[in-house]
Amino acid sequence: ELKVEQNPLFLSMQEGKNYTIYCNYSTTSDRLYWYRQDPGKSLESLFVLLSNGAVKQEGRLMASLDTKARLSTLHITAAVHDLSATYFCAVDIVEYGNKLVFGAGTILRVKS
Amino acid sequence: NAGVTQTPKFQVLKTGQSMTLQCAQDMNHEYMSWYRQDPGMGLRLIHYSVGAGITDQGEVPNGYNVSRSTTEDFPLRLLSAAPSQTSVYFCASRDRVQEQYFGPGTRLTVT
Repeated sequence: ELKVEQNPLFLSMQEGKNYTIYCNYSTTSDRLYWYRQDPGKSLESLFVLLSNGAVKQEGRLMASLDTKARLSTLHITAAVHDLSATYFCAVDIVEYGNKLVFGAGTILRVKS
Repeated sequence: NAGVTQTPKFQVLKTGQSMTLQCAQDMNHEYMSWYRQDPGMGLRLIHYSVGAGITDQGEVPNGYNVSRSTTEDFPLRLLSAAPSQTSVYFCASRDRVQEQYFGPGTRLTVT
């Protein structure tokens, strides 16, 4: 059974600090996605990582993928309050018919 | 280009009632899917479709039916609502480069 584990599940951090969210998965994957969700809203796509070693950056967020370690990271640099949200990773497995399996999500609170 | 639309936004049902959640996309995507979101559990796949006339089950299909008669529409039917189906439901569609687009969600309460 495919498992996708995120940690931490809850992260409270001060503005200006750096931190990393981890996403581990239990089987070989071709693609990994990161999404952001604000309270009461839908999911917004942040990054699509398509190959081993892929690194993408958007503003204060940077995502990377290591398919050999079955690990993706979402790094937050110099956090600001506007980054407060829930962040999900999701793994796409070809053998599962390209179905996405989501992690439980990381609730991020940035305190000013 | 409206993207993925869902109706209704909110719904309250009594146990045993049936209803259909509507989902439509105008991006000509072949792949569409339904998820439910419950606190602390992320999103779980209910049903998905890789094209008109083709549907398959996801992780949590029990109590739900789907059909895909057109590329644009992918309705989700609750056959006999139960309190355990209280959740937020998201429809999504996927393009050829595998970017997935989510609808705004339907918040369903079953009493």
